[in-house]
Amino acid sequence: DIVMTQSPDSLAVSLGERATINCKSSQSVLYSSNNKNYLAWYQQKPGQPPKLLIYWASTRESGVPDRFSGSGSGTDFTLTISSLQAEDVAVYYCQRYYNIPPLTFGQGTKVEIK
Amino acid sequence: QVQLVESGGSVVQPGRSLRLSCAASGFTFNNYAMHWVRQAPGKGLEWVAVVSYDGTNTYYADSVKGRFTISRDSSKNTLFLQMNSLRAEDTAVYYCARAGLAQTIMAHHDSWGQGTLVTVSS
Repeated sequence: DIVMTQSPDSLAVSLGERATINCKSSQSVLYSSNNKNYLAWYQQKPGQPPKLLIYWASTRESGVPDRFSGSGSGTDFTLTISSLQAEDVAVYYCQRYYNIPPLTFGQGTKVEIK
Repeated sequence: QVQLVESGGSVVQPGRSLRLSCAASGFTFNNYAMHWVRQAPGKGLEWVAVVSYDGTNTYYADSVKGRFTISRDSSKNTLFLQMNSLRAEDTAVYYCARAGLAQTIMAHHDSWGQGTLVTVSS
């Protein structure tokens, strides 16, 4: 089975500080034919559906604040919130969408204010 | 703008069946693959199934294979999930989601519905 492992499971960050979430895939999500990483990041607030933040590992979705950024390639990826705002409190998920099925999510990382 | 509205969730006994619907609007429905993703209470996201843009290909998570059937009706811009032999572990909010690129299943989800709750309990 292909597994996506996020770390940490939760983190508390002070307002204005940096938050970093890691995601590791048990198999590469890099498609050599187009050199794209089939990796997305989502934000989910309580009682709401997930919201797309990042796709192709580092492309920010339209309307997403530029304090959110994605990086990495192959099997290791990072979501960074450069300056945490109160409205960023949420659970964040990574997702691989390469060579599906299956399409796999990480277990989620809960971000809170310290 | 893209809008996805799920319906059909309810309380159902183990072993029974249920059909979910997802009404799509604001885009050319038959250009995009569509997915179902579920979330058990207090848990993470679990992909359930995908149907290709033209309905010719379907794929399922192992946990639902043989019990669930995904389909689409392009004349009604509607996505379906037929769920048979329901189990307690199928209890979840079920979301429909659109593939973020036209004519491929290998894409992120750029639009999500609000979800519909399925509770399997005697």
